[in-house]
Amino acid sequence: DQQVKQNSPSLSVQEGRISILNCDYTNSMFDYFLWYKKYPAEGPTFLISISSIKDKNEDGRFTVFLNKSAKHLSLHIVPSQPGDSAVYFCAASRGGGSQGNLIFGKGTKLSVKP
Amino acid sequence: GAGVSQSPSNKVTEKGKDVELRCDPISGHTALYWYRQSLGQGLEFLIYFQGNSAPDKSGLPSDRFSAERTGGSVSTLTIQRTQQEDSAVYLCASSLRTGRQETQYFGPGTRLLVL
Repeated sequence: DQQVKQNSPSLSVQEGRISILNCDYTNSMFDYFLWYKKYPAEGPTFLISISSIKDKNEDGRFTVFLNKSAKHLSLHIVPSQPGDSAVYFCAASRGGGSQGNLIFGKGTKLSVKP
Repeated sequence: GAGVSQSPSNKVTEKGKDVELRCDPISGHTALYWYRQSLGQGLEFLIYFQGNSAPDKSGLPSDRFSAERTGGSVSTLTIQRTQQEDSAVYLCASSLRTGRQETQYFGPGTRLLVL
Protein backbone atom coordinates (compact mmCIF):
# COMPACT_ATOMS: atom_id res chain seq x y z
CA ASP A 1 0.00 0.00 0.00
CA GLN A 2 1.48 3.30 -1.10
CA GLN A 3 1.77 5.72 1.77
CA VAL A 4 3.04 8.61 -0.36
CA LYS A 5 1.33 9.21 -3.66
CA GLN A 6 2.19 11.44 -6.57
CA ASN A 7 -0.71 10.94 -8.89
CA SER A 8 0.66 12.91 -11.83
CA PRO A 9 3.51 11.04 -13.51
CA SER A 10 4.32 14.06 -15.67
CA LEU A 11 3.74 17.79 -15.93
CA SER A 12 4.57 20.21 -18.73
CA VAL A 13 4.84 23.94 -18.09
CA GLN A 14 5.90 26.96 -20.10
CA GLU A 15 9.03 28.80 -19.00
CA GLY A 16 8.18 31.69 -16.67
CA ARG A 17 4.92 30.17 -15.51
CA ILE A 18 4.20 28.44 -12.22
CA SER A 19 4.77 24.71 -11.76
CA ILE A 20 2.65 22.99 -9.13
CA LEU A 21 3.56 19.46 -8.12
CA ASN A 22 1.22 17.60 -5.82
CA CYS A 23 1.67 14.88 -3.25
CA ASP A 24 -0.77 13.04 -1.00
CA TYR A 25 -0.02 10.84 1.97
CA THR A 26 -2.03 8.39 4.01
CA ASN A 27 -0.06 7.92 7.21
CA SER A 28 -1.03 10.49 9.85
CA MET A 29 2.20 9.67 11.72
CA PHE A 30 4.26 11.44 9.07
CA ASP A 31 5.46 14.74 10.45
CA TYR A 32 8.27 15.80 8.15
CA PHE A 33 8.09 16.14 4.40
CA LEU A 34 10.72 16.71 1.75
CA TRP A 35 11.02 17.29 -1.95
CA TYR A 36 13.91 15.88 -3.92
CA LYS A 37 14.84 16.63 -7.50
CA LYS A 38 16.46 14.06 -9.74
CA TYR A 39 18.21 14.46 -13.06
CA PRO A 40 18.83 11.39 -15.25
CA ALA A 41 21.80 9.25 -14.17
CA GLU A 42 22.19 11.22 -10.96
CA GLY A 43 21.04 10.64 -7.41
CA PRO A 44 18.19 12.68 -5.93
CA THR A 45 19.11 16.13 -4.64
CA PHE A 46 17.40 17.65 -1.63
CA LEU A 47 15.31 20.66 -2.57
CA ILE A 48 13.13 21.81 0.30
CA SER A 49 11.41 20.43 3.39
CA ILE A 50 8.62 21.26 5.78
CA SER A 51 7.77 20.20 9.28
CA SER A 52 4.19 19.38 10.17
CA ILE A 53 4.09 22.31 12.59
CA LYS A 54 4.20 24.65 9.60
CA ASP A 55 1.93 25.07 6.60
CA LYS A 56 4.37 26.85 4.32
CA ASN A 57 8.09 26.99 3.71
CA GLU A 58 9.72 29.15 1.09
CA ASP A 59 13.19 29.09 -0.41
CA GLY A 60 13.73 31.34 -3.38
CA ARG A 61 11.61 30.19 -6.29
CA PHE A 62 10.46 27.10 -4.38
CA THR A 63 7.60 27.02 -1.89
CA VAL A 64 6.14 23.97 -0.23
CA PHE A 65 2.62 24.07 1.18
CA LEU A 66 1.29 21.53 3.68
CA ASN A 67 -2.38 20.86 4.36
CA LYS A 68 -2.43 18.38 7.22
CA SER A 69 -6.18 17.98 7.36
CA ALA A 70 -6.18 16.94 3.71
CA LYS A 71 -2.91 15.02 4.02
CA HIS A 72 -1.69 16.93 1.01
CA LEU A 73 1.39 18.89 0.13
CA SER A 74 2.43 20.75 -2.95
CA LEU A 75 5.59 22.23 -4.38
CA HIS A 76 5.32 25.51 -6.25
CA ILE A 77 8.10 26.67 -8.54
CA VAL A 78 7.79 30.21 -9.79
CA PRO A 79 8.96 31.28 -12.24
CA SER A 80 9.73 27.94 -13.83
CA GLN A 81 12.98 27.63 -15.77
CA PRO A 82 14.11 25.03 -18.33
CA GLY A 83 16.79 23.88 -15.86
CA ASP A 84 14.00 22.84 -13.50
CA SER A 85 13.14 20.00 -15.88
CA ALA A 86 13.68 16.87 -13.79
CA VAL A 87 11.82 14.22 -11.83
CA TYR A 88 10.54 15.51 -8.50
CA PHE A 89 10.03 13.11 -5.61
CA CYS A 90 7.94 13.79 -2.56
CA ALA A 91 9.11 12.03 0.61
CA ALA A 92 7.84 11.73 4.16
CA SER A 93 9.28 10.69 7.46
CA ARG A 94 7.63 9.34 10.58
CA GLY A 95 7.86 10.90 13.97
CA GLY A 96 8.62 9.08 17.18
CA GLY A 97 12.03 7.82 16.20
CA SER A 98 15.42 9.01 15.13
CA GLN A 99 15.74 6.69 12.21
CA GLY A 100 14.97 9.11 9.42
CA ASN A 101 14.33 6.63 6.65
CA LEU A 102 12.21 8.26 4.01
CA ILE A 103 9.07 7.02 2.29
CA PHE A 104 9.05 8.23 -1.30
CA GLY A 105 6.38 8.77 -3.91
CA LYS A 106 6.87 7.52 -7.46
CA GLY A 107 7.85 10.94 -8.75
CA THR A 108 6.53 13.51 -11.21
CA LYS A 109 8.52 14.33 -14.32
CA LEU A 110 8.48 18.08 -14.89
CA SER A 111 9.22 19.48 -18.32
CA VAL A 112 9.67 23.24 -18.60
CA LYS A 113 9.48 24.37 -22.19
CA PRO A 114 11.32 27.49 -23.37
CA GLY B 1 34.80 15.09 -4.64
CA ALA B 2 33.07 15.47 -1.33
CA GLY B 3 29.83 13.76 -2.27
CA VAL B 4 28.53 10.23 -1.84
CA SER B 5 30.10 7.85 -4.31
CA GLN B 6 28.91 4.43 -5.40
CA SER B 7 30.50 1.68 -7.41
CA PRO B 8 30.07 0.17 -9.85
CA SER B 9 27.89 2.66 -11.70
CA ASN B 10 26.45 -0.15 -13.80
CA LYS B 11 26.38 -3.89 -13.27
CA VAL B 12 25.03 -6.58 -15.54
CA THR B 13 24.90 -10.06 -14.10
CA GLU B 14 23.35 -13.41 -14.79
CA LYS B 15 20.52 -14.79 -12.74
CA GLY B 16 21.84 -16.78 -9.80
CA LYS B 17 25.12 -14.90 -9.44
CA ASP B 18 26.05 -12.85 -6.38
CA VAL B 19 26.72 -9.11 -6.64
CA GLU B 20 28.29 -6.62 -4.28
CA LEU B 21 27.53 -2.91 -4.39
CA ARG B 22 29.66 -0.33 -2.66
CA CYS B 23 28.89 3.03 -1.10
CA ASP B 24 31.36 5.63 0.13
CA PRO B 25 29.47 8.18 2.24
CA ILE B 26 30.43 11.78 2.83
CA SER B 27 33.28 11.92 5.29
CA GLY B 28 32.05 12.39 8.84
CA HIS B 29 28.51 11.27 8.14
CA THR B 30 27.48 8.71 10.73
CA ALA B 31 24.20 7.69 9.11
CA LEU B 32 24.02 5.72 5.89
CA TYR B 33 20.94 4.57 4.01
CA TRP B 34 20.31 2.15 1.15
CA TYR B 35 17.32 2.55 -1.16
CA ARG B 36 16.38 1.01 -4.47
CA GLN B 37 14.32 2.31 -7.33
CA SER B 38 12.69 -0.21 -9.61
CA LEU B 39 11.44 0.86 -13.02
CA GLY B 40 8.49 3.26 -12.71
CA GLN B 41 8.57 3.14 -8.94
CA GLY B 42 9.59 5.48 -6.19
CA LEU B 43 12.56 4.91 -3.96
CA GLU B 44 12.12 1.96 -1.62
CA PHE B 45 13.95 2.05 1.71
CA LEU B 46 16.09 -1.03 2.35
CA ILE B 47 18.29 -0.53 5.40
CA TYR B 48 20.10 2.14 7.38
CA PHE B 49 23.24 2.24 9.47
CA GLN B 50 24.01 4.33 12.49
CA GLY B 51 27.75 3.95 12.72
CA ASN B 52 28.44 0.30 11.95
CA SER B 53 25.18 -1.09 13.27
CA ALA B 54 21.96 -1.64 11.39
CA PRO B 55 19.14 -1.49 13.94
CA ASP B 56 16.39 -2.24 11.44
CA LYS B 57 16.78 -4.74 8.62
CA SER B 58 13.07 -5.18 7.97
CA GLY B 59 13.22 -3.24 4.70
CA LEU B 60 15.43 -5.81 3.02
CA PRO B 61 13.22 -7.62 0.47
CA SER B 62 14.52 -11.12 1.19
CA ASP B 63 17.25 -13.02 3.03
CA ARG B 64 19.29 -12.92 -0.18
CA PHE B 65 20.02 -9.27 0.65
CA SER B 66 22.56 -8.29 3.27
CA ALA B 67 24.55 -5.18 4.06
CA GLU B 68 27.44 -4.26 6.23
CA ARG B 69 29.38 -1.18 7.15
CA THR B 70 32.88 -1.13 8.49
CA GLY B 71 34.85 1.60 10.20
CA GLY B 72 31.79 3.82 10.22
CA SER B 73 32.44 4.59 6.59
CA VAL B 74 32.16 2.32 3.53
CA SER B 75 29.12 0.12 3.18
CA THR B 76 28.50 -2.85 0.93
CA LEU B 77 25.15 -4.22 -0.12
CA THR B 78 25.33 -7.86 -1.19
CA ILE B 79 22.67 -9.66 -3.20
CA GLN B 80 23.07 -13.42 -3.35
CA ARG B 81 21.60 -15.62 -6.06
CA THR B 82 20.29 -12.63 -7.98
CA GLN B 83 16.86 -12.76 -9.58
CA GLN B 84 15.49 -10.72 -12.48
CA GLU B 85 13.24 -8.80 -10.10
CA ASP B 86 16.36 -7.49 -8.36
CA SER B 87 17.04 -5.32 -11.41
CA ALA B 88 16.84 -1.74 -10.20
CA VAL B 89 18.89 1.33 -9.37
CA TYR B 90 20.40 0.96 -5.91
CA LEU B 91 20.93 4.30 -4.21
CA CYS B 92 22.96 5.09 -1.16
CA ALA B 93 22.54 8.21 0.96
CA SER B 94 24.33 9.57 3.98
CA SER B 95 23.55 12.19 6.58
CA LEU B 96 25.44 13.73 9.43
CA ARG B 97 23.27 11.87 11.93
CA THR B 98 20.15 9.81 11.85
CA GLY B 99 17.01 11.77 12.37
CA ARG B 100 14.13 12.77 10.21
CA GLN B 101 15.24 16.38 9.89
CA GLU B 102 18.74 15.48 8.79
CA THR B 103 19.23 16.07 5.07
CA GLN B 104 20.15 12.90 3.23
CA TYR B 105 22.67 13.28 0.43
CA PHE B 106 22.39 10.70 -2.32
CA GLY B 107 25.00 9.06 -4.49
CA PRO B 108 24.48 8.56 -8.24
CA GLY B 109 23.34 4.98 -7.79
CA THR B 110 24.31 1.58 -9.16
CA ARG B 111 22.19 0.35 -12.04
CA LEU B 112 21.83 -3.40 -11.69
CA LEU B 113 20.50 -5.53 -14.51
CA VAL B 114 19.95 -9.22 -13.91
CA LEU B 115 19.61 -11.20 -17.11
